[in-house]
Amino acid sequence: DSGVTQTPKHLITATGQRVTLRCSPRSGDLSVYWYQQSLDQGLQFLIQYYNGEERAKGNILERFSAQQFPDLHSELNLSSLELGDSALYFCASSSSPTGIGKLFFGSGTQLSVL
Amino acid sequence: AQTVTQSQPEMSVQEAETVTLSCTYDTSESDYYLFWYKQPPSRQMILVIRQEAYKQQNATENRFSVNFQKAAKSFSLKISDSQLGDAAMYFCAYTQGGSEKLVFGKGMKLTVNP
Repeated sequence: DSGVTQTPKHLITATGQRVTLRCSPRSGDLSVYWYQQSLDQGLQFLIQYYNGEERAKGNILERFSAQQFPDLHSELNLSSLELGDSALYFCASSSSPTGIGKLFFGSGTQLSVL
Repeated sequence: AQTVTQSQPEMSVQEAETVTLSCTYDTSESDYYLFWYKQPPSRQMILVIRQEAYKQQNATENRFSVNFQKAAKSFSLKISDSQLGDAAMYFCAYTQGGSEKLVFGKGMKLTVNP
């Protein structure tokens, strides 16, 4: 168990809908990362927050947004969903503000857009 | 842009044997870090081993060791005394020093035969 909790584990929704994925980092970790894993794109970095502030953005679509709350949990919001958004979304946490530290991954949220 | 290439999509090994997974990367940076992550059927990404580019000594973690060839930009993972629990997808990853994101390879599926 990595100590990173993601909910829900599975999510099935329809095109055009909006969903929220939730992540609770390991106790004491200030950094939260979101990654998307799909068959065609592989694992891609979406966004990172450190202690409540957005620190880095990757290949995140404008339809997607995220935030980190004062208790350090994070939410990834996906709106106007398309079939191509179907993927496994990972949250990871770290004590370091940069990627050189050890990342602890959650078990992911499997999103299916029908 | 930095890229990570895993040219072998699948490999198999007999239990108790040794197997080497290959990875090459492309970067013009001198300060960077390399990782191998394991993704078992449970989907969770687990850090196997980490190598700092400035260190000449190859990293080892129990049965896992790397062969880091900086000039050739090669970073292979050797698994000794393979166990059934080693069966998983293995991802090679890179991050530039000071960067927030990991760049992952496409992954390689390792099967361990009893």
